[in-house]
Amino acid sequence: KNEVEQSPQNLTAQEGEFITINCSYSVGISALHWLQQHPGGGIVSLFMLSSGKKKHGRLIATINIQEKHSSLHITASHPRDSAVYICAVERFGNEKLTFGTGTRLTIIP
Amino acid sequence: GAGVSQSPSNKVTEKGKDVELRCDPISGHTALYWYRQSLGQGLEFLIYFQGNSAPDKSGLPSDRFSAERTGGSVSTLTIQRTQQEDSAVYLCASSLYGQPQHFGDGTRLSIL
Repeated sequence: KNEVEQSPQNLTAQEGEFITINCSYSVGISALHWLQQHPGGGIVSLFMLSSGKKKHGRLIATINIQEKHSSLHITASHPRDSAVYICAVERFGNEKLTFGTGTRLTIIP
Repeated sequence: GAGVSQSPSNKVTEKGKDVELRCDPISGHTALYWYRQSLGQGLEFLIYFQGNSAPDKSGLPSDRFSAERTGGSVSTLTIQRTQQEDSAVYLCASSLYGQPQHFGDGTRLSIL
């Protein structure tokens, strides 16, 4: 079993829909990262969080440390949000990332 | 530029040859990471440098892989006697301690 599991693997939605991507992990962590990768493009860090909730524009990330679970939400989704979203975790004392397998999001106009 | 720079962006080589991949991190970033993204395998950690500490090499898949970071800045990942399974996108990232990682655009390595 992978240390970081994401769901769903693929998600297709209509423009404007509210999107939720989930991440569960099985190890103790010091931080969780949400990353975005556009087709053929580089990886961009969206959020780094260790507790609570963060918001940036239409994106919201939450984490529940006790339940070892995080969610990434996108409000008022847009075709430009189409990308692969990757959850990754850092363990205490080491900043290297362990990655989930990613969620491929497609937003249809 | 202000971002993480990797070169070359693409590399095609024959099986058995050695390759060197270069990463220029963001100036002042103390941490530097190498990751690999293979088709069907997702992203995996290779090696991590933090300041003057000994690097964490726990992700290197075999002794054909090595990396160094000179002067706390530029890093080179070397793969000796390349194999077809080494074909992947090799990504470098850098960060300040406790801050998000900034990724380069990667080197796409193809072994013929």
